[in-house]
Amino acid sequence: DIQLTQSPSSLSASAGDTVTITCRASQHISNHLNWYQQKPGAAPRLLMYVASSRFSGVPSRFSGSGIGAHFTLTISSLQPEDFGTYYCHQSYTSPYTFGQGTRLET
Amino acid sequence: QVTLEESGPTLVKPTQTLALTCTFSGFSLSTSGMGVAWIRQPPGKAPEWLAVFYWDDDRRYIPSLGGRLTITKDTSKNQVALTLTNVGPEDTATYYCARRHRPGYFDVWGRGILVTVSS
Repeated sequence: DIQLTQSPSSLSASAGDTVTITCRASQHISNHLNWYQQKPGAAPRLLMYVASSRFSGVPSRFSGSGIGAHFTLTISSLQPEDFGTYYCHQSYTSPYTFGQGTRLET
Repeated sequence: QVTLEESGPTLVKPTQTLALTCTFSGFSLSTSGMGVAWIRQPPGKAPEWLAVFYWDDDRRYIPSLGGRLTITKDTSKNQVALTLTNVGPEDTATYYCARRHRPGYFDVWGRGILVTVSS
């Protein structure tokens, strides 16, 4: 199975800050890396797919990059509604795995 | 508008079989590249992908559950069902179904159903 390791596990930031979350895969996954945001009591919400494509309706302050085994999600000009937990997910090969999550507190 | 909704029991006894149904609308599972996946999330933990039913009737399962899972489709009802046999406390989780869009991301999720395994 492909393991995804996110860092940091948690971070605290203020409105207006720029934050970066890293996701490292245990093997090459091309650009088959997706990012989700989850708020308490809600289902995960797709933010980015194939590493750098922003999903419909996602604000432009969210951006993703990476290829191979190293990926990043950057949130610029942090807004209060950006709190929550962020997960990366690889869709390169079954079993499709998720990272352990990064909790963002604002 | 694409929607998915999970239904099934919220309490299951150990060793029983859990049967969940995902009813979807707004898309066709026959469209090339489409799929419906089941994903679960134990309380306080990360999501775990379980299974997916593809547009071409192919299916994939997470190997770690050792054959306890079965995913099926009912085209006439726009439903995808998941069964998990011989459940234990470790299967307590919120179970989600989600649309799988080519090349593999989950773009629309149901609200989820919390299933507790307890005697």
